[in-house]
Amino acid sequence: DAKTTQPPSMDCAEGRAANLPCNHSTISGNEYVYWYRQIHSQGPQYIIHGLKNNETNEMASLIITEDRKSSTLILPHATLRDTAVYYCIVRATFGNEKLTFGTGTRLTIIP
Amino acid sequence: EAGVAQSPRYKIIEKRQSVAFWCNPISGHATLYWYQQILGQGPKLLIQFQNNGVVDDSQLPKDRFSAERLKGVDSTLKIQPAKLEDSAVYLCASTPNTGYYGYTFGSGTRLTVV
Repeated sequence: DAKTTQPPSMDCAEGRAANLPCNHSTISGNEYVYWYRQIHSQGPQYIIHGLKNNETNEMASLIITEDRKSSTLILPHATLRDTAVYYCIVRATFGNEKLTFGTGTRLTIIP
Repeated sequence: EAGVAQSPRYKIIEKRQSVAFWCNPISGHATLYWYQQILGQGPKLLIQFQNNGVVDDSQLPKDRFSAERLKGVDSTLKIQPAKLEDSAVYLCASTPNTGYYGYTFGSGTRLTVV
């Protein structure tokens, strides 16, 4: 059963910020929010993860709402190379819980 | 750091034939995963290894799929006999240990069964 809900597709203009939403209303206290992306003909690539605080790295920012029921992945200055399928995944890091992928959001960056 | 290596990149076989895929994980990564990705869907876990032992194969169709990681390093996934519905990309991923946050995936093997 999917733990997350994402829009199937989104467009974003090159150079603008891409904001990808994800709903995870049934998230548990010990579950993190992960984001991966999959560029055409490649395997998925880890982007970022967080528990309840906002996170930022060289690739993106992750904003998690205070109630943790939703989050937004932000690509601050989208380029054509950011065109990919983006997966939002909820997962407990302890134990042996694996990554379970949904169908993700297909993000298209428009020149 | 070298990535996860997979071969072959593409494979076309007829139904009822057998096929094998190979994966070499990142050096030192104890945990290895095989995923199946059907067109238009997200990857689905088939099997997880910890060193040379199987940790989880609950979603592996064991009547036709098998996998091994004999020396705890590289791994082979086999399908025998193949069905049309096995057409998919087979992805291998590795992590230093179970529960690690970042999986490193290979580029996959695209299998077409005709």
